[in-house]
Amino acid sequence: RKEVEQDPGPFNVPEGATVAFNCTYSNSASQSFFWYRQDCRKEPKLLMSVYSSGNEDGRFTAQLNRASQYISLLIRDSKLSDSATYLCVVNRVDSSYKLIFGSGTRLLVRP
Amino acid sequence: GAGVSQTPSNKVTEKGKYVELRCDPISGHTALYWYRQSLGQGPEFLIYFQGTGAADDSGLPNDRFFAVRPEGSVSTLKIQRTERGDSAVYLCASSERRASGANVLTFGAGSRLTVL
Repeated sequence: RKEVEQDPGPFNVPEGATVAFNCTYSNSASQSFFWYRQDCRKEPKLLMSVYSSGNEDGRFTAQLNRASQYISLLIRDSKLSDSATYLCVVNRVDSSYKLIFGSGTRLLVRP
Repeated sequence: GAGVSQTPSNKVTEKGKYVELRCDPISGHTALYWYRQSLGQGPEFLIYFQGTGAADDSGLPNDRFFAVRPEGSVSTLKIQRTERGDSAVYLCASSERRASGANVLTFGAGSRLTVL
């Protein structure tokens, strides 16, 4: 089992739709959580950090459920430019500080 | 520079050859990471440097892979006796502070390695 798991998608939604992605992680030592966005043939870029109390950045809302070990990302009012792969990232703080990436969820927003 | 710089952007080599991939992190970033990404997959952790030392090299797949960061800035990933399965995009990232909390990575554009 992978340490960070995501539904690969693709999620195909019309412009203006609301879409949600989930991500589960297996290591309870995980301390920090992020969503990165990756466009086709580009490098990943930070979308937002995920805080315990949940946080919002414009149309994007991230939630963390430590008890169930999952993270979610909600995108409201989808734009064509939101089409990308969304990577869930977990930072374990034990013997190392490496960040573990999920395989990503692909989003396609159609006109 | 303003961002993380990786060279070469593309490298095509033959099976069995030796390759070096270079990463120039953001000035002042003490942490440097190497990841490998295959098509349709997320970045796979290879190695993490804090300063000059490799703090965690548990992701290096075998002893053909080695990385150095002698002066705590530029890093080189070295692959000996390349195999077709080594073909991937090798991503470098740096971070401005130690990962004791929210450790935000800035990635370079990657080096695409193709082993024929």
